[in-house]
Amino acid sequence: AAGVIQSPRHLMKEKRETATLKCYPIPRHDTVYWYQQGPGQDPQFLISFYEKMQSDKGSIPDRFSAQQFSDYHSELNMSSLELGDSALYFCASSLGQSSYNEQFFGPGTRLTVL
Amino acid sequence: AQSVAQPEDQVNVAEGNPLTVKCTYSVSGNPYLFWYVQYPNRGLQFLLKYITGDNLVKGSYGFEAEFNKSQTSFHLKKPSALVSDSALYFCAVRDPISGAGSYQLTFGKGTKLSVIP
Repeated sequence: AAGVIQSPRHLMKEKRETATLKCYPIPRHDTVYWYQQGPGQDPQFLISFYEKMQSDKGSIPDRFSAQQFSDYHSELNMSSLELGDSALYFCASSLGQSSYNEQFFGPGTRLTVL
Repeated sequence: AQSVAQPEDQVNVAEGNPLTVKCTYSVSGNPYLFWYVQYPNRGLQFLLKYITGDNLVKGSYGFEAEFNKSQTSFHLKKPSALVSDSALYFCAVRDPISGAGSYQLTFGKGTKLSVIP
């Protein structure tokens, strides 16, 4: 079965640079979520989109922005990168944004800021 | 605000023995509860969920979890552990009536399960 695709899988950037992470949800899934997992930490919710509209917002820094496109894929744009942004970034998708629908996670993008 | 506690950072169990990974939660309404497993350098895999109904929920790979409303717990269990079950386990909660924030998952800190051959 098709899963959530994230690209790139690994990304290395310098401080103050920008990065763009991409997420392709499971086919027919219309809801996308972004999470950040620091080393040894639990995933922290950043932001979510349903039908191309922002549906929920968590602890996403103002330096980050995201959007969902007409084909339901999503991009997380990160600017003025800081060392503390080094983390594993997960995208998850679900069919509908109902609270009882499980989220299916992608393999993650490991971002290293030097 | 919703929260999840996993009181054990690590659980060690011998292969073939039953395992339990503990989880307690705090929400303002009735919780939606989830268990995910994470293998090294991999994404989170959904194991099972409790929404309503029978308090004992069965999931993937022989895992099950019991919802206990009075104790606000949702412990993950398996009758006979396998070495391949060794991984990081996350409990997560959603509070469906909290309005904004009701769609996100709030995770516990995770419990590392080691199954010893």
